[in-house]
Amino acid sequence: AQSVSQHNHHVILSEAASLELGCNYSYGGTVNLFWYVQYPGQHLQLLLKYFSGDPLVKGIKGFEAEFIKSKFSFNLRKPSVQWSDTAEYFCAVTPAGGYQKVTFGIGTKLQVIP
Amino acid sequence: DAGVIQSPRHEVTEMGQEVTLRCKPISGHDYLFWYRQTMMRGLELLIYFNNNVPIDDSGMPEDRFSAKMPNASFSTLKIQPSEPRDSAVYFCASSVGTRYGYTFGSGTRLTVV
Repeated sequence: AQSVSQHNHHVILSEAASLELGCNYSYGGTVNLFWYVQYPGQHLQLLLKYFSGDPLVKGIKGFEAEFIKSKFSFNLRKPSVQWSDTAEYFCAVTPAGGYQKVTFGIGTKLQVIP
Repeated sequence: DAGVIQSPRHEVTEMGQEVTLRCKPISGHDYLFWYRQTMMRGLELLIYFNNNVPIDDSGMPEDRFSAKMPNASFSTLKIQPSEPRDSAVYFCASSVGTRYGYTFGSGTRLTVV
């Protein structure tokens, strides 16, 4: 079975700082990878997803993530964060092909200070 | 597209009472998921359905929990009897397979006192 690790549980940044949130997964085969965002008091929303092809994936609101297969990583990045990016971010993985259960990481709370 | 609709948004109930949470998935989505979110355990998959059929309920914590999907546009999650440790936010999500990601509902915040 697959698993997901998000090493940073709570990150505090000042506005305009650069962001990188770590995500590592364990699974021996091909995977689909996702990042979701949950703003305070709201539901999870899909930020971006990777299936195949270009390992650098661009999502909404200026976020991007890079899939590095050799490192089993799918880190989320944003060059300059805003106060409105304050939220919890979840990495998720599922084996590719057919239906496979999606496994979510524990989440990383990002707090952006104005 | 109204998205995934959950009701109620908030539920406060006394221990021992029956609680029913409702979900309307996006039309055309063939998968429906029930998740529970708590501070301690994060997001836990409780059960999922494919074409209205329960496929995996291994995440359902115990017999007090049950879920049904009588048709493609409606699902319920029932807790009977409820206990304080059931207090959490319960999310419903739907998808077309898993390739495109899930669409989550706004959740039901359940408080059992």
